[in-house]
Amino acid sequence: QKEVEQNSGPLSVPEGAIASLNCTYSDRGSQSFFWYRQYSGKSPELIMFIYSNGDKEDGRFTAQLNKASQYVSLLIRDSQPSDSATYLCAVNGDAGNMLTFGGGTRLMVKP
Amino acid sequence: DAGVIQSPRHEVTEMGQEVTLRCKPISGHNSLFWYRQTMMRGLELLIYFNNNVPIDDSGMPEDRFSAKMPNASFSTLKIQPSEPRDSAVYFCASSLGYGQETQYFGPGTRLLVL
Repeated sequence: QKEVEQNSGPLSVPEGAIASLNCTYSDRGSQSFFWYRQYSGKSPELIMFIYSNGDKEDGRFTAQLNKASQYVSLLIRDSQPSDSATYLCAVNGDAGNMLTFGGGTRLMVKP
Repeated sequence: DAGVIQSPRHEVTEMGQEVTLRCKPISGHNSLFWYRQTMMRGLELLIYFNNNVPIDDSGMPEDRFSAKMPNASFSTLKIQPSEPRDSAVYFCASSLGYGQETQYFGPGTRLLVL
């Protein structure tokens, strides 16, 4: 059973701070990793993906991947109240195009 | 591009009734996914199609659920008979396939079974 684990939160950070969201996965053969954001009552939307060990930056977002530790994280710099949402980690293994989603971390950015 | 289209957006029905959810994937996408999301169980994959062929339906909860994809631009998820525990948000997602796994989600159908 492939598993993707996230702390459900809520993670509360003040506006302007760095929010750090973490995700671990059980399938060592996993190849690609995705972060989705889901606002309340809306559908998940892709923020970014990462395939290689290390960091990948896109604006205020940085994804970090450590395959040896089976760990992927998302950093949000200069957090804004509009970043308040649930963040879903998703992992693709070797089973075609399927993604396994974590339970999500709820982020609250307080003004 | 219009994105993934789902209908209806909201459905309220009574226990025992048949429910049909519809999905139009993004044009040119070869993979289609049906998910169910609840507070208790999070986002669960129900079934996955590739080139209109069901590849993995291990997530379909029981025989009351069925899904079809008669062509590349249309899929249905049917629940017959529906039960109150089927109340959830049902998402359809599509991806390009061929190793491009990024999935794009539709707006979802919020189902309430009374």
